Amino acid sequence: QKEVEQNSGPLSVPEGAIASLNCTYSDRVSQSFFWYRQYSGKSPELIMSIYSNGDKEDGRFTAQLNKASQYVSLLIRDSQPSDSATYLCAVDNSGGYQKVTFGTGTKLQVIP
Amino acid sequence: SQTIHQWPATLVQPVGSPLSLECTVEGTSNPNLYWYRQAAGRGLQLLFYSVGIGQISSEVPQNLSASRPQDRQFILSSKKLLLSDSGFYLCAWSVQGARGNTIYFGEGSWLTVV
Repeated sequence: QKEVEQNSGPLSVPEGAIASLNCTYSDRVSQSFFWYRQYSGKSPELIMSIYSNGDKEDGRFTAQLNKASQYVSLLIRDSQPSDSATYLCAVDNSGGYQKVTFGTGTKLQVIP
Repeated sequence: SQTIHQWPATLVQPVGSPLSLECTVEGTSNPNLYWYRQAAGRGLQLLFYSVGIGQISSEVPQNLSASRPQDRQFILSSKKLLLSDSGFYLCAWSVQGARGNTIYFGEGSWLTVV
């Protein structure tokens, strides 16, 4: 079983719609969760972090965490073509060692 | 604010040639430093991490090595490149906080071994 799993996509949504990206993780002791955006040919860019159960909103982005079910999601409201990218989920399950595990990413395509 | 730079941005190297990628971090002290590789269409693979000068841990045994000669400098090397070494190499840094590590990436280096 992979430690961090994401659907590879592509996930296609029309412009203006809500894009929902999901991620599950296997290590129950994980405490910190991150979403990165990676444009084609570029390095990943941190867009959200979440540490507590519930929702965290930042502009058009909302991260949702459910530790009991071991999933974290990212909602993008009013999706724009510029949101087209691969979104990486990352989980810090270091338990004292500085180790963050990344999922393989979900490719999002926003159709104008 | 903290910044991270890595170079070169792109390089094409023949099989069997050496490699040196360099990375520096500014604006922070004693960062954790990482080298990742991302093969085409694949996820991030952690190659090396370092929690201090001269302290290097390898995640994947292979023909690559890493060194940290200074607090904010991290170098990825190889004596003889293989075709399978091609990929997108990312240097990254983090600082251990109360809520774990938040990792920040450099611009990346595209390596093509021919």
